[in-house]
Amino acid sequence: AQSVTQPDIHITVSEGASLELRCNYSYGATPYLFWYVQSPGQGLQLLLKYFSGDTLVQGIKGFEAEFKRSQSSFNLRKPSVHWSDAAEYFCAVGPDSSYKLIFGSGTRLLVRP
Amino acid sequence: GAGVSQSPSNKVTEKGKDVELRCDPISGHTALYWYRQSLGQGLEFLIYFQGNSAPDKSGLPSDRFSAERTGGSVSTLTIQRTQQEDSAVYLCASSWGRGASPLSYEQYFGPGTRLTVT
Repeated sequence: AQSVTQPDIHITVSEGASLELRCNYSYGATPYLFWYVQSPGQGLQLLLKYFSGDTLVQGIKGFEAEFKRSQSSFNLRKPSVHWSDAAEYFCAVGPDSSYKLIFGSGTRLLVRP
Repeated sequence: GAGVSQSPSNKVTEKGKDVELRCDPISGHTALYWYRQSLGQGLEFLIYFQGNSAPDKSGLPSDRFSAERTGGSVSTLTIQRTQQEDSAVYLCASSWGRGASPLSYEQYFGPGTRLTVT
């Protein structure tokens, strides 16, 4: 069955520290992969996406993610976190059998001053 | 260009009343999705439209929930006889829809409607 797992419910990092948010998926072929961010009281905004080609993709706000087929992972990274990065982050994979995306349960990022 | 819009942004209703939530997708997007997000929770998929038909309504939690889409554009999510557990943020998203391009599946989200049932 197709699925996506975000193992970390909460992550706390200090401002200026590096960040890695984990995303693992189960999918029969190479999926389309997405990371979205949701700031408090807002809808979801696309950070980056992977379809094919170079496995390291760059996104907005200084984020990047690396597709690792052997590990079925698509982890999100940022070298230096800013206080404004505090938000909920969702990984998504698809399409499923209904031609829609499957979203992970999200990881809430807290940033210490 | 204009993004996905939802109305109202906030809705407070009494238990037992019916409510209608509206979603205006991005022009040209054939796919439309409804999600529910309870406080501190992730995204709960409710229903997906491709054009005016709903190939996947597996997430509707009960028969009190229904949705329609007319003209391949605006969608309305209706909750009948609201209960307190219906209190949540209801998010709508749209995409180009089924197609060969992976861009077809990239979803654009609206700001959500916060529903409070008292």
